Amino acid sequence: DIQLTQSPSFLSASVGDRVTITCRASQGISSYLAWYQQKPGKAPKLLIYAASTLQSGVPSRFSGSGSGTEFTLTISSLQPEDFATYYCQQLNSYPRFTFGPGTKVDIK
Amino acid sequence: QVQLVESGGGVVQPGGSLRLSCAASGFTFSSYGMHWVRQAPGKGLEWVAFIRYDGSNKYYADSVKGRFTISRDNSKNTLYLQMNSLRAEDTAVYYCAKEAITMVQGVDYYYMDVWGKGTTVTVSS
Repeated sequence: DIQLTQSPSFLSASVGDRVTITCRASQGISSYLAWYQQKPGKAPKLLIYAASTLQSGVPSRFSGSGSGTEFTLTISSLQPEDFATYYCQQLNSYPRFTFGPGTKVDIK
Repeated sequence: QVQLVESGGGVVQPGGSLRLSCAASGFTFSSYGMHWVRQAPGKGLEWVAFIRYDGSNKYYADSVKGRFTISRDNSKNTLYLQMNSLRAEDTAVYYCAKEAITMVQGVDYYYMDVWGKGTTVTVSS
């Protein structure tokens, strides 16, 4: 089974900061990775799939990169509505799409 | 607009059963595979089960295999999750999610693009 790790688990940042979250896979998964944002009490929201393709309607300050075993989600200028938990998900083992443990982005 | 609405959650004793439903609207339900994903209180997301668009194939996480059954009724645009032999560790918010397929640079990518708001299952005596 493919295992995903995320770092950091928690980060504290200010509005306007550039934020980077890393997701690592236990084996190569090419570009088969998605990123989701989840706010408390809400369902996850798709941000990015295919490692770097922005979902329709998602602000351009979000970007994804990477392939193989290491991936990053970058928020270029953190906005108040971006404080949330972010999950990566491997799309390689169809349809058993497992998730990373999450990264909580909090207000500094 | 595309919408998924879960229902059927509640409080059940260990060993009991529950059936969750997910009503779909705004898209051709019979053309898409569907997932169930759950989230225990204060924990991360766990993929639970998947069913192909026509119900021909079903897949389960090891943690629920043999106890949960995913099914669908395309005439009613509804997805189901029958949960038997429930355990305390099945306590979670259960989400249904729609499969999406997009080709990027000649490669097909399958992912979950639309999620319901979830229904809460509590297994407790």
